[in-house]
Amino acid sequence: GESVGLHLPTLSVQEGDNSIINCAYSNSASDYFIWYKQESGKGPQFIIDIRSNMDKRQGQRVTVLLNKTVKHLSLQIAATQPGDSAVYFCAENLLDSSYKLIFGSGTRLLVRP
Amino acid sequence: DAGVTQSPTHLIKTRGQHVTLRCSPISGHKSVSWYQQVLGQGPQFIFQYYEKEERGRGNFPDRFSARQFPNYSSELNVNALLLGDSALYLCASRIPSGGSSYNEQFFGPGTRLTVL
Repeated sequence: GESVGLHLPTLSVQEGDNSIINCAYSNSASDYFIWYKQESGKGPQFIIDIRSNMDKRQGQRVTVLLNKTVKHLSLQIAATQPGDSAVYFCAENLLDSSYKLIFGSGTRLLVRP
Repeated sequence: DAGVTQSPTHLIKTRGQHVTLRCSPISGHKSVSWYQQVLGQGPQFIFQYYEKEERGRGNFPDRFSARQFPNYSSELNVNALLLGDSALYLCASRIPSGGSSYNEQFFGPGTRLTVL
């Protein structure tokens, strides 16, 4: 079946340290994988995406790694800041006519000052 | 630039009632999707509309329905509300790419529905 899950429900890191959030997916047919950040009272905010034919993509302070062999996705945040505190979701997307996103259950990132 | 807007922000209903939630996409975005997010979980896909036609439907009962208007705004309707319908309802818009590439979906702030 289709599912996207996360290994760690809560991650606490020291300000300035690097954060790594992990995600396992089960649908090998997915075309894109996306990371979203959701702050309290707000909708999910796009962080970065990666296409299934890539294994790494970098953005500003963020890097997404895709390992299709073990169906694993990770988000690395460099020099974590208090403003990074939020819930992070991975999602997968099939390029069919519906463009639906399948979300995981989320990881809460807490940044200690 | 205005993002995706949703109304109302909060809503309290009782079991058996019906509710209508509204969404205005980003200007130029013709595709609108609806998601349900139960507290502590990730959003779940309900519907996707493009050019006023339903293009996708998630695993939700027929009590859930939606429509899209000529100006690309959208309504989500839920009939015979149940306690389990309490959730944050999110609307997302995007520029359809014809299926050849992924275009980012932009989410609104959501409507928090509480069913008593």
